[in-house]
Amino acid sequence: SQELEQSPQSLIVQEGKNLTINCTSSKTLYGLYWYKQKYGEGLIFLMMLQKGGEEKSHEKITAKLDEKKQQSSLHITASQPSHAGIYLCGEEETSGSRLTFGEGTQLTVNP
Amino acid sequence: ETGVTQTPRHLVMGMTNKKSLKCEQHLGHNAMYWYKQSAKKPLELMFVYNFKEQTENNSVPSRFSPECPNSSHLFLHLHTLQPEDSALYLCASSRTEQETQYFGPGTRLLVL
Repeated sequence: SQELEQSPQSLIVQEGKNLTINCTSSKTLYGLYWYKQKYGEGLIFLMMLQKGGEEKSHEKITAKLDEKKQQSSLHITASQPSHAGIYLCGEEETSGSRLTFGEGTQLTVNP
Repeated sequence: ETGVTQTPRHLVMGMTNKKSLKCEQHLGHNAMYWYKQSAKKPLELMFVYNFKEQTENNSVPSRFSPECPNSSHLFLHLHTLQPEDSALYLCASSRTEQETQYFGPGTRLLVL
């Protein structure tokens, strides 16, 4: 069974709109990673969160980890076509444990 | 980004062929990984190498044979594959097994 759930599975927004992608684990996490993938290409590292309540930003992308360290959200402000792609979250259950990835959220941004 | 490179980018092979995928990292990392990404499924970890030693084999069929001659290079040798092995194969590296992984662009494999 899938232990890391991402929602929504796909998302289509108009350019300029804000959006949020969620990642929920059934376990308390040591670390939570966000990656972006263009179709058929490798993953680009975005951010890693470790502390409960932590929030990090990179350009117009903000990621938060809840206090219980079981849920993370990725928020994009004023989306651009360049934000389109597949957003993957990966969980690290303990320090040094293998990353387990969610199925991804396919984001389309229409100009 | 050119930190982790993979060749070839695309590969079509028959079930009786033997081919190899190559991964090279220029980041000075010590750990390298092979992942398989199939449509509609999460990324699956296949193998992990740390300082050239295999530290994980995630129950991968023997028709996939990894090789890590040094910390910068990782190969995946393929033989007698099945059509269901068609997928995107991604290589990643990290400074240590506990640190952030950086991915290559992947090899899109089609087995006929």
